[in-house]
Amino acid sequence: SQQGEEDPQALSIQEGENATMNCSYKTSINNLQWYRQNSGRGLVHLILIRSNEREKHSGRLRVTLDTSKKSSSLLITASRAADTASYFCATDGPGGGADGLTFGKGTHLIIQP
Amino acid sequence: SQTIHQWPATLVQPVGSPLSLECTVEGTSNPNLYWYRQAAGRGLQLLFYSVGIGQISSEVPQNLSASRPQDRQFILSSKKLLLSDSGFYLCATGGAGNQPQHFGDGTRLSIL
Repeated sequence: SQQGEEDPQALSIQEGENATMNCSYKTSINNLQWYRQNSGRGLVHLILIRSNEREKHSGRLRVTLDTSKKSSSLLITASRAADTASYFCATDGPGGGADGLTFGKGTHLIIQP
Repeated sequence: SQTIHQWPATLVQPVGSPLSLECTVEGTSNPNLYWYRQAAGRGLQLLFYSVGIGQISSEVPQNLSASRPQDRQFILSSKKLLLSDSGFYLCATGGAGNQPQHFGDGTRLSIL
């Protein structure tokens, strides 16, 4: 089955710095999504990038997608303490997402004040 | 906007006991519904999904079952819990047609 794999597994940076997380997957996709999870809570959708898109922005978030390398990156600029969370990439299946998403193991991001 | 209710938030159960976790959705009709399980420090594993009342698809062989008795109600059950059923269970909607999924706040299940 398809699987997103994020790296690094954990990342600790100072507030104000930029944070970059990477994701790799194995097979063709319709879209790739990034989610955030605060400790003990559900996942919150951040951004969706379609397979025919190369870059997408949303506020302080920038996502890139390279389908030839089967990889994506999430950049958070000017990080804040509130950005501390786990970040997951997710890919859809043959059903275009209707049959669920495949999630990676996540990157745990810690922003030091 | 969609709201997903899950309860209970936390549950401690002995091995061999039954389980019933409920998920209800507001703000949408005929949603796709999903149950995921998250082991500690790990990503999410899809357990079941449903595209309509009474329609359940299972992704992995397991000790659990799911039912969808109403359009916006999704139930996760077990007749006899195992230690390996411990985890964080998340209900979600959406996902079709390049749409994101929306998650509930989850149930933390501990098996003793």
